[in-house]
Amino acid sequence: GIQVEQSPPDLILQEGANSTLRCNFSDSVNNLQWFHQNPWGQLINLFYIPSGTKQNGRLSATTVATERYSLLYISSSQTTDSGVYFCAVEQEGAGNMLTFGGGTRLMVKP
Amino acid sequence: KAGVTQTPRYLIKTRGQQVTLSCSPISGHRSVSWYQQTPGQGLQFLFEYFSETQRNKGNFPGRFSGRQFSNSRSEMNVSTLELGDSALYLCASSFTGATEAFFGQGTRLTVV
Repeated sequence: GIQVEQSPPDLILQEGANSTLRCNFSDSVNNLQWFHQNPWGQLINLFYIPSGTKQNGRLSATTVATERYSLLYISSSQTTDSGVYFCAVEQEGAGNMLTFGGGTRLMVKP
Repeated sequence: KAGVTQTPRYLIKTRGQQVTLSCSPISGHRSVSWYQQTPGQGLQFLFEYFSETQRNKGNFPGRFSGRQFSNSRSEMNVSTLELGDSALYLCASSFTGATEAFFGQGTRLTVV
């Protein structure tokens, strides 16, 4: 099956700093999503981005499908950005099944 | 519009018992998928239902089963519970396949 790797696994930032999270995948995908898992466990949708670039406030994401990676940018980080960020992909031909990366655990200090 | 609703939110069961979890998808969504999250294995796909049919299944033992009703609500059942089944179980709904998935708040199952 498809492999999804996220880096870095852990990240500590000072409030106001910028960061880039990376997601590499090993095969062609139909779908790629970024999620933020809140302290209660719910996965909050950030971006649905199988290709191209999207922006939502301080967050933006870019997926280069031909090179099999996606980047999540967080600018001017806030303490509320803390948590675990997951990248998930749906492999071509694999049906409606998301394969998740291991996540990036972000801590933003005040 | 209401999001994905999972019930119950928390559950404590004894080894050997069985458990049923419920998921109500977003109105109009016909695909419901289930995932297990544990600290050791991360987020893993269990199965997906579309129009009452299981379309896809992950690598889990037969003790894990599910079904989907005509209103797209889904249930997941785990029989003969083991300690290792303790996990956060997440349900996702989407309109069809290959479209954006939205997750519920999860059911946290503890097996003692």
